[in-house]
Amino acid sequence: AQRVTQPEKLLSVFKGAPVELKCNYSYSGSPELFWYVQYSRQRLQLLLRHISRESIKGFTADLNKGETSFHLKKPFAQEEDSAMYYCALDSSNTGKLIFGQGTTLQVKP
Amino acid sequence: DTAVSQTPKYLVTQMGNDKSIKCEQNLGHDTMYWYKQDSKKFLKIMFSYNNKELIINETVPNRFSPKSPDKAHLNLHINSLELGDSAVYFCASSQGAGGLYEQYFGPGTRLTVT
Repeated sequence: AQRVTQPEKLLSVFKGAPVELKCNYSYSGSPELFWYVQYSRQRLQLLLRHISRESIKGFTADLNKGETSFHLKKPFAQEEDSAMYYCALDSSNTGKLIFGQGTTLQVKP
Repeated sequence: DTAVSQTPKYLVTQMGNDKSIKCEQNLGHDTMYWYKQDSKKFLKIMFSYNNKELIINETVPNRFSPKSPDKAHLNLHINSLELGDSAVYFCASSQGAGGLYEQYFGPGTRLTVT
């Protein structure tokens, strides 16, 4: 069965430190992978998707098929990055997103 | 100019009652979804409609019945509410049904069953 695992429930870093939020997936085909973010008192929103290969708000994520990972990275964390981050997989191209458990990123001043 | 709206925002009710949550999107999207977020913040898809047709129906108790009167609306009706139904329910919409389409989420409805 398809599954997304985010091993860290909480990641706490200081401002300016590098950040890596881990995401591993189980799926044998070619997945569509996403990172969604929910800032405090805001809606869940798309941060980036692997197919776009773009950098949003300084975040990047590379799909590693060998390690079945899609880790989210940012070289220098900012306080406004504090939020809940969800990794998600669409294996069937139907829009059926399978979410990980989420990681709360806390960036301390 | 809210994109995806849900009513009510909070819903407190007793076990055994029947309740509905409404969702509307003004983005002109063809596809709408319902997700359930449990107390551990885990998000799980429940249903999806594309052009008023049901395309995703996860293993959800049949006490839950989605209804899409038109493309802009997807309501969720829950019969015989149970304690375990307490959760935050999110509606979302996307331009199409494929995985390449960004999903836009509503603000959520917090359902508490006592």
